[in-house]
Amino acid sequence: DGGITQSPKYLFRKEGQNVTLSCEQNLNHDAMYWYRQDPGQGLRLIYYSQIVNDFQKGDIAEGYSVSREKKESFPLTVTSAQKNPTAFYLCASSILGAGNTIYFGEGSWLTVV
Amino acid sequence: ELKVEQNPLFLSMQEGKNYTIYCNYSTTSDRLYWYRQDPGKSLESLFVLLSNGAVKQEGRLMASLDTKARLSTLHITAAVHDLSATYFCAGLHSPSYGGATNKLIFGTGTLLAVQP
Repeated sequence: DGGITQSPKYLFRKEGQNVTLSCEQNLNHDAMYWYRQDPGQGLRLIYYSQIVNDFQKGDIAEGYSVSREKKESFPLTVTSAQKNPTAFYLCASSILGAGNTIYFGEGSWLTVV
Repeated sequence: ELKVEQNPLFLSMQEGKNYTIYCNYSTTSDRLYWYRQDPGKSLESLFVLLSNGAVKQEGRLMASLDTKARLSTLHITAAVHDLSATYFCAGLHSPSYGGATNKLIFGTGTLLAVQP
């Protein structure tokens, strides 16, 4: 089935450790995105990519890094520089062009203790 | 910078009643999106509104867009318990240099609880 797969679904890490969240899509979408959601709040954009080997910072990129070496993959690394990393992380993808539906993965819960 | 505000933030309603969720946005937005999120789950796309006066309906939900008023509404008709969820609207960010991107700016969401 076509879709967006995020892994792991749940992740616990100690403070100071880097963490990488995986996002894979088989929808042949050019654009991919990472959003962060805190409890009771809306989503905020971390990074997005519209083409392989290119990506742009979103509104809250500090403490995060991404890569886009393949069209179908857009991993997110939460670095130790991110001051408050505990959150729900959502990966999304879409066809390029304004107004196209943006589809979301199932999300990854990250808890840093 | 595009800002999106939803109200109410929380809505408790009885089954069978009608209600409307409002979504105001601050600057020009090319498109307006509505999503549904169940607790602990991902976002499900409901509607994409593409132009002024656009109206879309799916079951008991109907969304509309007024770009002049910078307002979108999500109307719920004869609510049922299965509609209980958090509903988000999101505007599409247009950079100052023109053109369009697919950067979505989300509202804080409306938590809808439909009581039997």
